[in-house]
Amino acid sequence: AQSVTQPDIHITVSEGASLELRCNYSYGATPYLFWYVQSPGQGLQLLLKYFSGDTLVQGIKGFEAEFKRSQSSFNLRKPSVHWSDAAEYFCASGAGSYQLTFGKGTKLSVIP
Amino acid sequence: SQTIHQWPATLVQPVGSPLSLECTVEGTSNPNLYWYRQAAGRGLQLLFYSVGIGQISSEVPQNLSASRPQDRQFILSSKKLLLSDSGFYLCAWNGGVSTEAFFGQGTRLTVV
Repeated sequence: AQSVTQPDIHITVSEGASLELRCNYSYGATPYLFWYVQSPGQGLQLLLKYFSGDTLVQGIKGFEAEFKRSQSSFNLRKPSVHWSDAAEYFCASGAGSYQLTFGKGTKLSVIP
Repeated sequence: SQTIHQWPATLVQPVGSPLSLECTVEGTSNPNLYWYRQAAGRGLQLLFYSVGIGQISSEVPQNLSASRPQDRQFILSSKKLLLSDSGFYLCAWNGGVSTEAFFGQGTRLTVV
């Protein structure tokens, strides 16, 4: 069965600093990969997705993610974090089944 | 464009009472529909999914049931709520195998 691992439960960064959230997946073939963001008490919003092609994908709100097959990773990055980026971030994969498999999430706190 | 509606936003119910949460999707036909439960620090747990009217797949045996009486309507129910049913419930849809999912705003259920 496929799985998605987000090693960091909680990350704190200063406003203006760069950000990288880690995600590793386990699946024999190349899965479809996604990053979502969730503000407190809200649903999940899709930030970006990777299906195939260019391994660096751009998303909304200035986020990008890079697919690295050799490391089974799909890390999310942002060059300069804003206070409004404080939220919980979920990595997910789809691999031939209807439902997506989600990681347990990384909570991002931003220090002014 | 497609939209997903989920209600109510919050609900406080006594133990042993029934439950009915409703989710509807607009702007698409024959969506795959999902119910997730989210507990703090534990990510998203898939409860049920449906690929068509009357077709329900259960991922986790529990005190809950789901129904899909119409193409774009998905209902989560319980005959008698337990304290352990408290949580944040999310409805989602997607248009195909492994494609990105779109989420409703969630329902915060507190069983007292």
